[in-house]
Order: sequence, then C-alpha cells, then structure tokens
Amino acid sequence: AQSVTQLDSQVPVFEEAPVELRCNYSSSVSVYLFWYVQYPNQGLQLLLKYLSGSTLVKGINGFEAEFNKSQTSFHLRKPSVHISDTAEYFCAVSDQGDYKLSFGAGTTVTVRA
Amino acid sequence: DTGVSQDPRHKITKRGQNVTFRCDPISEHNRLYWYRQTLGQGPEFLTYFQNEAQLEKSRLLSDRFSAERPKGSFSTLEIQRTEQGDSAMYLCASSRGGSPNEKLFFGSGTQLSVL
Repeated sequence: AQSVTQLDSQVPVFEEAPVELRCNYSSSVSVYLFWYVQYPNQGLQLLLKYLSGSTLVKGINGFEAEFNKSQTSFHLRKPSVHISDTAEYFCAVSDQGDYKLSFGAGTTVTVRA
Repeated sequence: DTGVSQDPRHKITKRGQNVTFRCDPISEHNRLYWYRQTLGQGPEFLTYFQNEAQLEKSRLLSDRFSAERPKGSFSTLEIQRTEQGDSAMYLCASSRGGSPNEKLFFGSGTQLSVL
C-alpha cells in the first residue's frame, strides 16, 4: 500500500496571495494521484486528479497540481487564494488498478483578509 | 443527485455497546466505500462493495466490524463491543463503478464517540 506525506499540517495565507501545498508519496511503478478538499461541515470533494499524460493538472476553483515522478511528488498550487478557500486539503494516491485510496494527514489552509 | 447521505451524524455510545451506521449512496452508483478518519489523520480505507459484493476488506477491519450492502443499494457498518479506540469519523463514499480512477463522492460522515 502507498503512504502519503503532506509536509505542512497548517498553512496560513493572506487573501490574494499564492499558496502551495506539498505532497510526497512512496514510490511505485504507476500511480493515480488526487487532491480532495473538505470545507467545514461538508464531505470531501475532488479538486483534481492525475492519471497519465501532462504532468500539470488543472482542477476546479483555480487549483492546479504538478506530478513529478522522479521526486514522487504531487504539489498543489493556487496563484491567488480567496477567503472561501479556507478548508482542509488531502492528497491521496492509489496504485493503478487498485480501488482504494491512501490519504495523507491533510493540510489546513486558513485564508485571512 | 442528492449526494451521499449518512445517518446518524453523531453517535455517542458506551464501551461494549454495539452501533450501526447507515450510508445511502448516490443512486445508480455501483461502488460503495467505507473509510475511517481519526483526529489529525487522513481517511483510512476500511472496505468497499461492487453492488452487493464486498470485494476488499482492510486489515484495520477487525472481526468486530461488519459491513453489508443488501441489494446493492444502501450499506450498513456495524461495530460490535465498541472500544474507545473505535472513536473516529466514519466516512462513506460512492462512485459509478467501472474504473479505479473514478471520482469518489463522500458523505459528511458519522462521528462516533465511545465513552
């Protein structure tokens, strides 16, 4: 099974500033990579996913992530955050062909005015 | 599309009691998953169903845990003889089925507190 490390547990950021959330996973031959977001009192929602092809993946709400196979990383970025981006963000990985996800511990993003 | 619903939202029980949670997936979603999330951790996989068949169970799922999905619709997760270590958020998710890389739709979870 994969293991996922999210390097920052808390990221405070000012509104309209950029944000980067770091994610590393244990090495494997082929993986699928995901970022999920959990807004307060809501279920997890998919932000974006990498399956194959271009290493830069664009998701909803202006987020993007870059897959780096050599560094086994899948960092999430947004160039300008809004107050509404305050949430917990989870990186997840699955081996190709596997139906279960392994999640990181999450990164709490707090956006301040 | 009413989303994945879980019931109850909160459950407080005494150690040794049995509890049962229910999950209603999005209609026509063939695949249903249970995950468990403890404070400060990400969700951990417990088990999943393809229609009514339980296809995989995590080693985290001790003999005290049982999950069912009769008729391939809603699912129940039962914990017998609860222990304090069972305190967690229990999450249900569903997907259309077909390929492993599909988007999961999560419910808001059932928060279990074992006293």
